[in-house]
Amino acid sequence: DGGITQSPKYLFRKEGQNVTLSCEQNLNHDAMYWYRQDPGQGLRLIYYSQIVNDFQKGDIAEGYSVSREKKESFPLTVTSAQKNPTAFYLCASTRVPNSPLHFGNGTRLTVT
Amino acid sequence: GESVGLHLPTLSVQEGDNSIINCAYSNSASDYFIWYKQESGKGPQFIIDIRSNMDKRQGQRVTVLLNKTVKHLSLQIAATQPGDSAVYFCAENRGNQGGKLIFGQGTELSVKP
Repeated sequence: DGGITQSPKYLFRKEGQNVTLSCEQNLNHDAMYWYRQDPGQGLRLIYYSQIVNDFQKGDIAEGYSVSREKKESFPLTVTSAQKNPTAFYLCASTRVPNSPLHFGNGTRLTVT
Repeated sequence: GESVGLHLPTLSVQEGDNSIINCAYSNSASDYFIWYKQESGKGPQFIIDIRSNMDKRQGQRVTVLLNKTVKHLSLQIAATQPGDSAVYFCAENRGNQGGKLIFGQGTELSVKP
């Protein structure tokens, strides 16, 4: 089945450590996105990539970094500079703009 | 500031009744709107979408209405079932911002048996 795989589902880190969240898709989609979701809130865009080797900052990019070396993969690194990293992180992809995003099932990151 | 917002944070309905979830948006340049359903611990799941050249679109048990005059979007669920219990988000695609989706805060729908 085609889809988006995020791993791991739960991730725990100590404050001050960088951590990388994985996102892989086999939908042959060009565009990929990372969103952050806090309890009781909507999704906020961190970074997005419309094509391989290119990406743009979203609304809350500070403290995060991404890479897009392959069409299928869009890993997100949460750096120690991110002040409030504990959150639910969602990766999504889409074939073309103005079409629905397909989401993975998220990674819940807890930093203590 | 500009936002996609929901009128009600929670909605409780009886099984079998119809549900209506509302959403307001503020950017008149938005040209595409999507409703998502999110169950606990999962990613959002696409329900239905509508483009700005339409005012109504129907799916299986769901209808989306778009009123561009008052910048209002609604999702109607017919014969609501316990499996419909979830958080529902509207999202707008602002055509002048590279196709990014902006999400509202969500409405939690609770279906009583």
